[in-house]
Amino acid sequence: QSALTQPASVSGSPGQSITISCTGTSSDIGAYGYVSWYQQHTGKAPKLMIFDVSNRPSGVSNRFSGSKSGNTASLTISGLQAEDEADYYCSSFTSSSTLLFGGGTKVTVL
Amino acid sequence: QLQLQESGPGLVKPSETLSLTCTVSGASITSGHYYWNWIRQPPGKALEWIGSVSYDGYTYYNPSLKSRLTISVDTSKTQFSLRLTSVAATDTAMYYCAKGYEEWELSSFDYWGQGVLVTVSS
Repeated sequence: QSALTQPASVSGSPGQSITISCTGTSSDIGAYGYVSWYQQHTGKAPKLMIFDVSNRPSGVSNRFSGSKSGNTASLTISGLQAEDEADYYCSSFTSSSTLLFGGGTKVTVL
Repeated sequence: QLQLQESGPGLVKPSETLSLTCTVSGASITSGHYYWNWIRQPPGKALEWIGSVSYDGYTYYNPSLKSRLTISVDTSKTQFSLRLTSVAATDTAMYYCAKGYEEWELSSFDYWGQGVLVTVSS
C-alpha cells in the first residue's frame, strides 16, 4: 500500500488561508469518511486536529477545517498564525482494515 | 489525565528483535472499546502506521511488517507491547504509542506517548 499524496510544502502570510491536499484512492479516502489530520511541531508528538474528515476534537481552534471530495481530502487553515508553522499529516482508514498516512506537508508562515 | 509512555532499548543490533512496551496511566485499557496503536517515524521522514490492538486482543498490522510483527495487550498491567523481529537499519525510527480516539474505530489517535528513538546498528 502506498502512502497518501500530500504536497511537500505550503506557505502563507499571517492572516491568510492555506489549504493542504491529501490524495488517495477509491480504497481509502474515497471509500470511507475516516480521514484524520495531525499537526506535528519539531521534536514533538503529533496532535490530532481533524477526525472523520471534518470534525474537530475539543480544544482545537475553529481556524482548522477539513473536507473531502472523491479521493482527495483537504485541510484548510484560516487566519494563519506563526504558531501554525509545523508539519501536517493526513491519514485514512483503508478497505484492508489498515491505516495509511500521507507523506507530510511542511507549513511555513512567511 | 491519560498518559502513555514508551519504554525499551534505544539500540538494537541488525537481525535481532526489537521489543517495546507502552504503559498507560490515568485510565484502564479496558475502560472503553478503544484501539491501542503503534506508529513510527524514521528521522526526517513521514509517519508510518505499524499496527493496532483492540482492548480485547484483536490485532491489525501493516502488511509490509506483518511477517515480523506481534502486538499484544496486557490489561492487568495496563500495557501493550510491540515485538519486531529481524530488524534492519530501515527500522531505525522514533516509535510512538497512541490511543484510538473513537470507540470501535481504527481511524484516529488522540493521546500519544512522547516517543522512543530506536536505532538499529551493530
